[in-house]
Amino acid sequence: GDSVTQMEGPVTLSEEAFLTINCTYTATGYPSLFWYVQYPGEGLQLLLKATKADDKGSNKGFEATYRKETTSFHLEKGSVQVSDSAVYFCALLYNNNDMRFGAGTRLTVKP
Amino acid sequence: ETGVTQSPTHLIKTRGQQVTLRCSSQSGHNTVSWYQQALGQGPQFIFQYYREEENGRGNFPPRFSGLQFPNYSSELNVNALELDDSALYLCASSLNLAGGPDEQFFGPGTRLTVL
Repeated sequence: GDSVTQMEGPVTLSEEAFLTINCTYTATGYPSLFWYVQYPGEGLQLLLKATKADDKGSNKGFEATYRKETTSFHLEKGSVQVSDSAVYFCALLYNNNDMRFGAGTRLTVKP
Repeated sequence: ETGVTQSPTHLIKTRGQQVTLRCSSQSGHNTVSWYQQALGQGPQFIFQYYREEENGRGNFPPRFSGLQFPNYSSELNVNALELDDSALYLCASSLNLAGGPDEQFFGPGTRLTVL
């Protein structure tokens, strides 16, 4: 069935480093794709989304482009901050109601 | 605008017991989805409620059941608890319009521990 696979963590970076978290998807059609972030002790927050091929989602300096040819939706940020430390989840929306998440990637940013 | 709220925050039960978790959807939202997040994993879709009826279900047994009320709040009930039911249970609300579902907004979750 439709699913996403994201790079395993944890990822540890220094402040102002470049971030890439890889995410690839398997789907029969062209589902909407999402990145969610989960800070310690909190629920998930939508970071960005893309609803069709070649769409670029962006928010708070994070970007991801829906690539149909490589079935990917990699998350990038040019300069990470300590406050970006969290767990990041890639997800796709299946059947208009079932949000399918990857296993999550824990990011730690050190000052 | 009030966000998604869940209660209780934490809960401890023993095997075989039953539990009810509650969720209040964000103002203006008519759809509630429930997810189970085991430690170190991504959330897994349990089911969704729209207009007080189940609108899709993931791979969970019938002992996981739910309700949605006229004010769009929702309950998740789990019967005959098993140790593997220990997890963070997340509720998400969204606005389902004719054009399809919108973004899901998540609550902080209920941490259930089954001993």
